[in-house]
Amino acid sequence: LAKTTQPISMDSYEGQEVNITCSHNNIATNDYITWYQQFPSQGPRFIIQGYKTKVTNEVASLFIPADRKSSTLSLPRVSLSDTAVYYCLVGALTGGFKTIFGAGTRLFVKA
Amino acid sequence: GAGVSQTPSNKVTEKGKYVELRCDPISGHTALYWYRQSLGQGPEFLIYFQGTGAADDSGLPNDRFFAVRPEGSVSTLKIQRTERGDSAVYLCASSRDRGETQYFGPGTRLLVL
Repeated sequence: LAKTTQPISMDSYEGQEVNITCSHNNIATNDYITWYQQFPSQGPRFIIQGYKTKVTNEVASLFIPADRKSSTLSLPRVSLSDTAVYYCLVGALTGGFKTIFGAGTRLFVKA
Repeated sequence: GAGVSQTPSNKVTEKGKYVELRCDPISGHTALYWYRQSLGQGPEFLIYFQGTGAADDSGLPNDRFFAVRPEGSVSTLKIQRTERGDSAVYLCASSRDRGETQYFGPGTRLLVL
């Protein structure tokens, strides 16, 4: 399974766009990239998933370059409630599926 | 519909005791996962069920840990002879099928004294 590397922490202010980049140099052809969000005392929550190029949903965008060795989660106009830990995962959607979480990125949004 | 539920929400036990942690997945989800999360760390994979069978139990740390899912729905994680190092939040997740989006429960906080 591809190992991921993310910044340990990031600070931002309300209303700003936040970009969190994840490195996954050993990503395999069948691997998808998935991001989860976790608040204290809660289980992780799915945010977005993609394979290549760009994916957008109602909460975030995911940018994946052509070589797929990294990906960037973009959170537009963050609010205080976006303060959480964000995890980047890579893994195949078929065959055996063992999910590996890294330590995640702790985002702290200030007023 | 209802999300993934886990019981108990908190469990305090003494070293050497046996504990069972229960997970009720989302109805109709065939895949079920158990994770363990220590403070400040990401969730650590323990075991994955597809239906009633354990498709991957490579994350179970030792033979004191065991999990079952006899009818392909509710799952129980069983820990024998608990140790202080077993203290953590135990998370359960389910997905409609293997590899699809996982939906997590709130976790069971286990404290071994």
